Amino acid sequence: SAVISQKPSRDICQRGTSLTIQCQVDSQVTMMFWYRQQPGQSLTLIATANQGSEATYESGFVIDKFPISRPNLTFSTLTVSNMSPEDSSIYLCSVETGAGGLTDTQYFGPGTRLTVL
Amino acid sequence: AQKVTQAQTEISVVEKEDVTLDCVYETRDTTYYLFWYKQPPSGELVFLIRRNSFDEQNEISGRYSWNFQKSTSSFNFTITASQVVDSAVYFCALSEGGRRGNMLTFGGGTRLMVKP
Repeated sequence: SAVISQKPSRDICQRGTSLTIQCQVDSQVTMMFWYRQQPGQSLTLIATANQGSEATYESGFVIDKFPISRPNLTFSTLTVSNMSPEDSSIYLCSVETGAGGLTDTQYFGPGTRLTVL
Repeated sequence: AQKVTQAQTEISVVEKEDVTLDCVYETRDTTYYLFWYKQPPSGELVFLIRRNSFDEQNEISGRYSWNFQKSTSSFNFTITASQVVDSAVYFCALSEGGRRGNMLTFGGGTRLMVKP
């Protein structure tokens, strides 16, 4: 498995502002993922982030709203831009350990609990 | 498209009862993986098990057991002699791999409440 940390663990923000969430892993990983979990809901994949390439976004999520950086194999950031109350969610990063094959398992960070007023 | 259904949104049991959480999935692939994750009130997602589509053997880990049946596209999770610490939301997930890594599709989750 991998040890994953996220910063901040929680935040309360005003609408119209932006928040950058950091995800740090204790080992080098190829694949990193960002998920959103709205209150009382399941997890939805926002995007997949590979080092050295543009993030790939899922339907309903766009780069202007959720820009992602992946500067190296142990770190990624997700920015939630121009926030509205509808962005209030838990944001989780996850990583795949291994070479990126089908046998890999995703492990999740502790999440960032965001509240937008 | 892949889909995971957890029909039970909430289950309440009394401590020491056995409880089974249902998971039904849909996929067109012959090769895929199924997962169970636990999300306690703290919010962190804890990996419990991974099962590949070619291995239908049931698995037991302590009080936890999993029943994978391809014929019914189900991957059910049983907790024996439940404890208060088992109270959490449990998610079943499916991965088909390949495209952009092992993208997980999650079910809606089942909230388990174990009362003392």
